[in-house]
Parts: sequence; C-alpha cells; structure tokens
Amino acid sequence: GESVGLHLPTLSVQEGDNSIINCAYSNSASDYFIWYKQESGKGPQFIIDIRSNMDKRQGQRVTVLLNKTVKHLSLQIAATQPGDSAVYFCAETRDDYKLSFGAGTTVTVRA
Amino acid sequence: KAGVTQTPRYLIKTRGQQVTLSCSPISGHRSVSWYQQTPGQGLQFLFEYFSETQRNKGNFPGRFSGRQFSNSRSEMNVSTLELGDSALYLCASSTTRDRAHEQYFGPGTRLTVT
Repeated sequence: GESVGLHLPTLSVQEGDNSIINCAYSNSASDYFIWYKQESGKGPQFIIDIRSNMDKRQGQRVTVLLNKTVKHLSLQIAATQPGDSAVYFCAETRDDYKLSFGAGTTVTVRA
Repeated sequence: KAGVTQTPRYLIKTRGQQVTLSCSPISGHRSVSWYQQTPGQGLQFLFEYFSETQRNKGNFPGRFSGRQFSNSRSEMNVSTLELGDSALYLCASSTTRDRAHEQYFGPGTRLTVT
C-alpha cells in the first residue's frame, strides 16, 4: 500500500493568506520527502524536497517541515496566490527513482 | 530546453486491445519512469528505465511492459486492455542519482478503455 498520505483532501484559502498542507508518512527508511504540484491538465511539478536528516527547508514562498517523531510532513505556502490553486502531493523515496505518492490535497484560492 | 513530451495525449481503446504510449525525456536525462494516475488509486509507480535497462518495477501485472531506446526515449505497452486500465499515464525523466526524486513529468496520455 501507499507509504504516505494526506490529512485533508481539500483546502480553501483566501488569497494573500498562508496555506499549510499536511501529510503523514509511515516509512521511516525514506531518504527524501518531496512536494509536487499538479495543475489541471498537466503533470506533477517538483516544488521542494527535504532530506530525511533535516527538519526544515525553505524555498521561494514555500517551506517544508519534517517531524520525524510523529512522521509528519507539511508544506507552507506564504501569501497564497491564485496560481497556487492545484493539487498538491507529498511523496517519498529511498533514492531509487521510485516515488511513492500520497493521495493529494486540492487547494482552492479564493479571491 | 524542451520538457518531457508524451504521445498521444488522448487515446480511446476497446477491452482486449493493446496500446503503446511514447515518451521523450528532457534532453540529457537518461532515467525515464512511468506512473499511472487514477482517481481511486492516485499516482502509482509502474517502472523505471536507465540506459535501456529496467531497474525498478511497481506492482502491476505483466500486461504492463515498457522499454527504453538508446536515445533514452521510452515506450510502455499495455496488452489485453481492461476497463480498469483507464487512467492518465505519466512519464517522468530525471538526471543524476542524487537528484533521482526531482522528476520532470510530461502532460500524460489519457487512456480510456471502453
């Protein structure tokens, strides 16, 4: 079965607010945890990753947090914009080119 | 640099037929992976190829197969199609092993089996 999963299937957020998308995983042997974004009609797009020996990593407007104690991963998007509307997937890998994806959270940005 | 391309984008087949999907990776990318995406099962890994060799395989029946050519282009084949094979089939390419998880996906081929 899947080794990662998401807490909520949908998230509605006001434009300009911060978004937090959560994911629970079960495989402690994963090397990397990754967030992908999939817009309608497109394939998933890499957003940011975090290595298993890290707790936090920041990118442009995004931050990924990894809590290995409770096996929890989150993606924070600052100042959410309409272009952030998409389905977000967490994924894990053990460095063998095989990604195991969670079920996805659909983020809708309200104007 | 051009992205990952997949052909055809849409396909309608009948149960029992077979289908071949094609994927051209980003220039310089030698690893090609295939995923199946359905509303019920989500994104599931099918297989991965590198230098014409299958290195990893997901939990799919033998009706699903693939291959990679010397120019890194890849094809996947599904024989004896079933209704449950209706899905979006995604191809992804990546570069070095230490960035194996940073995969670049194509737009997918939408397969409908009737």
